[in-house]
Amino acid sequence: GESVGLHLPTLSVQEGDNSIINCAYSNSASDYFIWYKQESGKGPQFIIDIRSNMDKRQGQRVTVLLNKTVKHLSLQIAATQPGDSAVYFCAETSGTYKYIFGTGTRLKVLA
Amino acid sequence: EAGVVQSPRYKIIEKKQPVAFWCNPISGHNTLYWYLQNLGQGPELLIRYENEEAVDDSQLPKDRFSAERLKGVDSTLKIQPAELGDSAVYLCASSIGRQQQFFGPGTRLTVL
Repeated sequence: GESVGLHLPTLSVQEGDNSIINCAYSNSASDYFIWYKQESGKGPQFIIDIRSNMDKRQGQRVTVLLNKTVKHLSLQIAATQPGDSAVYFCAETSGTYKYIFGTGTRLKVLA
Repeated sequence: EAGVVQSPRYKIIEKKQPVAFWCNPISGHNTLYWYLQNLGQGPELLIRYENEEAVDDSQLPKDRFSAERLKGVDSTLKIQPAELGDSAVYLCASSIGRQQQFFGPGTRLTVL
């Protein structure tokens, strides 16, 4: 079946540095992508989204990049803070309510 | 604005016992989702409701799982009987149509 980001890597970043979290997706029909942040003991929290007609979208301290050619999505966090420590998931959907979530990346912010 | 409320937050039961989870979505959200999340994995959709109608239950193991949303607001997810492999976090989310989904804190189920 279709898959999104099957691995759970861990990214360790020094406080104040920029973080880049990557996600590969396999469904070329996906047209909407979301990044979620999940802290321990909490549900996923929406961070930023992007539609397939865009290749970049910026929010507060976060930027999402979409490369449809290689089916790749990335989340950039500027000036990473301790509060950014969490597991980050990308999710995709192809025009339906059904979201396919990746396995996630754990971000550890080092003081 | 209150978020999605779930209870209980934690549940420990022995295998073959029944268990139920409750979800109160954000007021005004007509779409409600139940997800299962295994450790280190992303959420997987179990069932989606539009008001009181289950419009997508294709991933719900119907031999032991059931869900209801009788008045189109609160929802209950039940497992009977529970198996060891059901140990996971059960997440509820709600949205207005296809707009952004808001997740609750989840119920962590441990089956012994």
